[in-house]
This record gives sequence, C-alpha cells and structure tokens, in this order.
Amino acid sequence: QLVESGGGVVQPGRSLRLSCAASGFTFSSYAMHWVRQAPGKGLEWVALISHDGSNKYYAESVKGRFTISRDTSKNTLYLQMNSLRPDDTAVYYCARVRLFYYGMDLWGQGTTVTISS
Amino acid sequence: SYELTQPLSVSVALGQTARITCGGNNIGTKGVHWYQQKPGQAPVLVIYRNSNRPSGIPERFSGSNSGNTATLTINRAQAGDEADYYCQVWDSSTVFGGGTKLTVL
Repeated sequence: QLVESGGGVVQPGRSLRLSCAASGFTFSSYAMHWVRQAPGKGLEWVALISHDGSNKYYAESVKGRFTISRDTSKNTLYLQMNSLRPDDTAVYYCARVRLFYYGMDLWGQGTTVTISS
Repeated sequence: SYELTQPLSVSVALGQTARITCGGNNIGTKGVHWYQQKPGQAPVLVIYRNSNRPSGIPERFSGSNSGNTATLTINRAQAGDEADYYCQVWDSSTVFGGGTKLTVL
C-alpha cells in the first residue's frame, strides 16, 4: 500500500515536504508519481521519478519549485514543495508505475495541502 | 505539450452501454490508460495500455484506441459505475484528460 503524509495549511511562499510510505511490494522496482487534484477539479500530474531515482520529470507548473526524491532504504517517496502558491492547494496523491508508459496501478489515499494566508 | 480532450459528461441508462472518448493528436500511436474516481476516493486504474484490464476489474470494462480517439466502453452499466473517468498517456511527460462524469440513469 501507499500512505501519504505531511499535508497541512501553510502560508504562501512557505515550504512543505510530503512523504509517501510504500509497503507490500518491492519499492525499488517501481517508478513513482505525484499527482494532485485541486478542489472540484480534475487530476493534474506533478512529478515522476524513475525506479532508481536517476531520472526525474516535472510539470511546468511546479518546475523549479518542487523536488521529487526517494529513499529506497526507507521505502519512502518525497515531494519537497517550495515557494508555495494558493493554486498549489490540492489533494496530493502518490502512485506507482511499473514503467513510465504503464498505468498507475496503485494509489495512496492522498494528503491535503492548503495554501492560505 | 500534448493535450487530451474528454467530454465533460456522459449519461447512460441502467444496463446499457456507455462510451467515453479521449481525443488527442495521433493518440492511436500511444498507450492510453483509464482511471475511475468516485467521490472522496483515490483513482483506480480500470484499463491500461489501451485495452488491458487489471485484475479485479470487471469484464464489462473495455478499451480501444485508434487514430485520434481512444474509447472506454462500459457494458451493462450499473449504478456503481457512476464516477469520474480520466484518460492518461505518457508523452515524455504524463498527461491527463480533463475527466468525464458518468451518470447512470
């Protein structure tokens, strides 16, 4: 399973780090995504990291502000979010994928991030 | 960047067939995945790589992809199929369609 944590209410311009703890499968064999969903809106892809952490991809909307990383020893995925803006308010999901062009076959329950002064 | 276009809503009578489309330039050359999302829940993969069903997904769900349109087909629609459905592709980055709300009448 995947369990996200770290969400909360923060002021614009501040930082937040999300975590996604993986269990029940070989974490190091899967690439991992972060996907977010603003209130009442559709899914928006945020970032992707390869199974070994060597390749990282970002949506234009977060490039330069967010950093995806993983710690295989802890079976945990991270999303460091800096310079947060009100439009970053969303539920953030982590999801696994066998290969980049495969579907996301396991999702976490999500963690809510609210950016507000 | 690559764009995927879905209808905002689709309605289907109970027991009939629902078809949800996903349009994109030459999408037939890509692998399309479909997700179902019910209110307050995380998305669930229902079709991967155009037409493959993950284990546990009913055979009523099927997919096809050709030309500029991919289609998710739900046969014998049930009340429990009411949900938002999203298509997704990998095109040097990950792209989601805007989502389609399926209503079962």
